[in-house]
Amino acid sequence: GENVEQHPSTLSVQEGDSAVIKCTYSDSASNYFPWYKQELGKRPQLIIDIRSNVGEKKDQRIAVTLNKTAKHFSLHITETQPEDSAVYFCAAHTNAGKSTFGDGTTLTVKP
Amino acid sequence: EAGVVQSPRYKIIEKKQPVAFWCNPISGHNTLYWYLQNLGQGPELLIRYENEEAVDDSQLPKDRFSAERLKGVDSTLKIQPAELGDSAVYLCASSLFGDNTGELFFGEGSRLTVL
Repeated sequence: GENVEQHPSTLSVQEGDSAVIKCTYSDSASNYFPWYKQELGKRPQLIIDIRSNVGEKKDQRIAVTLNKTAKHFSLHITETQPEDSAVYFCAAHTNAGKSTFGDGTTLTVKP
Repeated sequence: EAGVVQSPRYKIIEKKQPVAFWCNPISGHNTLYWYLQNLGQGPELLIRYENEEAVDDSQLPKDRFSAERLKGVDSTLKIQPAELGDSAVYLCASSLFGDNTGELFFGEGSRLTVL
């Protein structure tokens, strides 16, 4: 089955700095890569996603890049703010409808 | 539009007792998932339904876990008997079948503590 590895497990940055979280996947059939943000005690919510036919996608301060050959994708957050502090999960999704999640990255943005 | 609704939010039971969790997905979402989330880890799939059919239950510990989705809408996940290691958050999620985005809409989760 699919295996998704996510790094780092914790990340602390100063407000205004950038944050980068990386994930690798194993199943070449994976074709959809969402990122979820989970605040403490809350439900995971989609923040950005990318399909396998696209190399990069940006939405305001958030961007995701995908390298299909190397089977890795990354989340980039620029100009971080304290409200960006949360746990971020990457996932890899196949046409069979199954999503495999990474173990999460706890991002702390210090004011 | 109402999101995915789960109940109860919190449940504390003694080991060997039974427990059940209920999920109401977003209206029109044919695909329903139950995930297990341990502290500090990502969600792990337990079972996935397409309408009322369980299409992936390979990760469901069938000796003690069972699930059903009657009429292809609400779903119930049951554990009997519960063990200490079952303490976790049980997340329900739904998505549109045939919608190639694959976005999952999660409920708030049911936090189980087994004493």
